[in-house]
Amino acid sequence: GAGVSQSPSNKVTEKGKDVELRCDPISGHTALYWYRQSLGQGLEFLIYFQGNSAPDKSGLPSDRFSAERTGGSVSTLTIQRTQQEDSAVYLCASSPITLAGTQYFGPGTRLTVL
Amino acid sequence: QQQVKQSPQSLIVQKGGISIINCAYENTAFDYFPWYQQFPGKGPALLIAIRPDVSEKKEGRFTISFNKSAKQFSLHIMDSQPGDSATYFCAASGFASSNYKLTFGKGTLLTVNP
Repeated sequence: GAGVSQSPSNKVTEKGKDVELRCDPISGHTALYWYRQSLGQGLEFLIYFQGNSAPDKSGLPSDRFSAERTGGSVSTLTIQRTQQEDSAVYLCASSPITLAGTQYFGPGTRLTVL
Repeated sequence: QQQVKQSPQSLIVQKGGISIINCAYENTAFDYFPWYQQFPGKGPALLIAIRPDVSEKKEGRFTISFNKSAKQFSLHIMDSQPGDSATYFCAASGFASSNYKLTFGKGTLLTVNP
């Protein structure tokens, strides 16, 4: 079956612009996670969704970052007023309730802020 | 504070050899320990995972060894193949809660020479 998909695969933007990154989880997976992967910091947790609610936003690095999930499915990560330090690969993962803990990752969106 | 420490950063092994990657954790609340494999341009893929109620788990050529008292776990890749060349990440989460956000090690770049 289809895995986790993310779009766009690559995004180049100018400093100060807003960007939206999309994640389509595996159908039926109730849990959804966003992570950021950068050379200096490795893989870092950003936010966790259970259904449409986000009980853990502790990894969001600043208030410029926000995320939502609708219909218990698609999630969008929004970065406002992008900065060069936001350049990274943003990864989404989903997990079924029956195998909680087993996270399936998408291919990521590579964000470059000029 | 780096909660999961991984070593070595890079590893070169000859085909047919054994690759060993080590991780240590600090948070005693962690009780789920997966290993992920990542190829360039792809998202991490779950290889094998262990819970602390067992000291070893084997799946094919991949084995996790777990030492709860030392708070250490390791991945052993037997009969390493060039196709195993990738970056490997250890991770940890609290399996007992509904939020299984992963804390990752910094990764090990494995190169298997033919």
